[in-house]
Amino acid sequence: QKEVEQNSGPLSVPEGAIASLNCTYSDRGSQSFFWYRQYSGKSPELIMFIYSNGDKEDGRFTAQLNKASQYVSLLIRDSQPSDSATYLCAAFREKLTFGTGTRLTIIP
Amino acid sequence: GAGVSQSPSNKVTEKGKDVELRCDPISGHTALYWYRQSLGQGLEFLIYFQGNSAPDKSGLPSDRFSAERTGGSVSTLTIQRTQQEDSAVYLCASTQGRNQPQHFGDGTRLSIL
Repeated sequence: QKEVEQNSGPLSVPEGAIASLNCTYSDRGSQSFFWYRQYSGKSPELIMFIYSNGDKEDGRFTAQLNKASQYVSLLIRDSQPSDSATYLCAAFREKLTFGTGTRLTIIP
Repeated sequence: GAGVSQSPSNKVTEKGKDVELRCDPISGHTALYWYRQSLGQGLEFLIYFQGNSAPDKSGLPSDRFSAERTGGSVSTLTIQRTQQEDSAVYLCASTQGRNQPQHFGDGTRLSIL
């Protein structure tokens, strides 16, 4: 079992809709969770991080954490074509561990 | 503002040669990670430095790979006797503390002929 699992996609969402990206992790001791966006040929850039159970909102982005279910999600509201990218989920315990990413395509 | 700086941005070398990749982290960041990313693939963890602790080398794929971090700042990743399968983008990231977000450099694109 991978430590951090994501559906590789591609996930296609119409422009203006909500994109929902999901991630599960195996280590119950994981303390913090991060979402990165990576455009093709570019480095990952931080979108959100979350430490506590519940929701955390930043603009069009909402991160959700459920430690009991070992589940992290990222919601993107009012999806834009510029949101098309690969989204990487990461969990930290002793070190940061990344999932393989979900490729998101926003359809105009 | 000074982000994570990596050099060179591109490196092309012949099979069997040694290469050195450099990472200059954000000033004051205590932790530094090296990753490798092949085309269309996820991030492959290589090595992790945290302060003065012994580095976590568990991700290094073979003994041809080594890394050091001098003075708790600049890090060098060395690949000896390069092979074609070493071709990838090598990414460095630094973070302020153990539980803090990572900031990535632009990477070094390594091509082994």
